[in-house]
Amino acid sequence: AQKITQTQPGMFVQEKEAVTLDCTYDTSDPSYGLFWYKQPSSGEMIFLIYQGSYDQQNATEGRYSLNFQKARKSANLVISASQLGDSAMYFCAMREFTDSNYQLIWGAGTKLIIKP
Amino acid sequence: EPEVTQTPSHQVTQMGQEVILRCVPISNHLYFYWYRQILGQKVEFLVSFYNNEISEKSEIFDDQFSVERPDGSNFTLKIRSTKLEDSAMYFCASSEVKQRTYYEQYFGPGTRLTVT
Repeated sequence: AQKITQTQPGMFVQEKEAVTLDCTYDTSDPSYGLFWYKQPSSGEMIFLIYQGSYDQQNATEGRYSLNFQKARKSANLVISASQLGDSAMYFCAMREFTDSNYQLIWGAGTKLIIKP
Repeated sequence: EPEVTQTPSHQVTQMGQEVILRCVPISNHLYFYWYRQILGQKVEFLVSFYNNEISEKSEIFDDQFSVERPDGSNFTLKIRSTKLEDSAMYFCASSEVKQRTYYEQYFGPGTRLTVT
């Protein structure tokens, strides 16, 4: 079964609009972390934002915020005031904090294209 | 700002040949990882490494793969006899130990391996 699901393979958004990228996850572990990474066409993986399962507030980092709905097991990334440079692949990933498990489990990604 | 570096950026090799992908993690980090991303697919965990030994590995990481930290700075991934299906982008990542379970994995720019 998929542990991380990103249902939007691609999105087109007008510049300066806000965009929400969906991510749902599946885990029975009560302690976990959710990550969002950006991968531009150049290929590198850039960390954007993190949300811990016990964090009381939604994470924010500049124009990035995470809409964390624990009961629904969703961790959507919100990008406010989108810019042309936001065009990239976006990956949601999860780490389950059990048994010295350090690996990140990845979603399939969403390709975001910002239109001028 | 410290960063993870990887060499080479692109490696072309013939099927059956051995390749070594090199990574220099961030200097004070203690955990090291290799991930791979086949073109157009999701990122897959290969292996994590801590205290000079493998912490965990995925089913992809079979006997053809090995990792090593030959000196205080390099972290290498060796593929003994490459197959066509090994063609992928290989990412190295590192992270430091933090008191909280949160940690960020810093990714290198990747090595694109092409097996012909």
